[in-house]
Amino acid sequence: GQNIDQPTEMTATEGAIVQINCTYQTSGFNGLFWYQQHAGEAPTFLSYNVLDGLEEKGRFSSFLSRSKGYSYLLLKELQMKDSASYLCAVRAAGNKLTFGGGTRVLVKP
Amino acid sequence: NAGVTQTPKFRVLKTGQSMTLLCAQDMNHEYMYWYRQDPGMGLRLIHYSVGEGTTAKGEVPDGYNVSRLKKQNFLLGLESAAPSQTSVYFCASDPTSGGQDTQYFGPGTRLTVL
Repeated sequence: GQNIDQPTEMTATEGAIVQINCTYQTSGFNGLFWYQQHAGEAPTFLSYNVLDGLEEKGRFSSFLSRSKGYSYLLLKELQMKDSASYLCAVRAAGNKLTFGGGTRVLVKP
Repeated sequence: NAGVTQTPKFRVLKTGQSMTLLCAQDMNHEYMYWYRQDPGMGLRLIHYSVGEGTTAKGEVPDGYNVSRLKKQNFLLGLESAAPSQTSVYFCASDPTSGGQDTQYFGPGTRLTVL
């Protein structure tokens, strides 16, 4: 079966850094995705990892270790607009995605 | 391009009523998906389709039916709604080109079953 775990909620201060961890156990692996979802809106794609290592995209970075079944999303220089839920998802067999429960990040001034 | 659209955006049903949610995409994607999202549970796959005329069950298919008569449309039906089906429903389509090109989501339908 598939199991993806991430913390339920995190709080950070504007301008700070927050790291959201995701651990997974899946039968097969064909990429790990991070989505951002603002309240009442659809998820939007943030990042993709298929090989071990760090992928950087501006203020956002994502890391993957396939041997450990582990990923993290790093948000730097936090802004108020970064308050949202962040969803970790693994693509295994075929194109289906399995999602974690999401991490709600609250950015305080 | 409108991307992925869903109708309706909101709906309130009484227990036992039926309804159909429509998802449409104009990106010529082969794969389409229906998810439900409940608080603290992330997105769970209900049904999906790998092409026109095909459907398959996902993780939580009970109480739902789907049809994909046209490539651009994917319909989700509730034959006899139950309060447990109160949720936000998202449709997604996928170009299946692999790599980082993955699912594009519609804006969602908020369904309340009384």
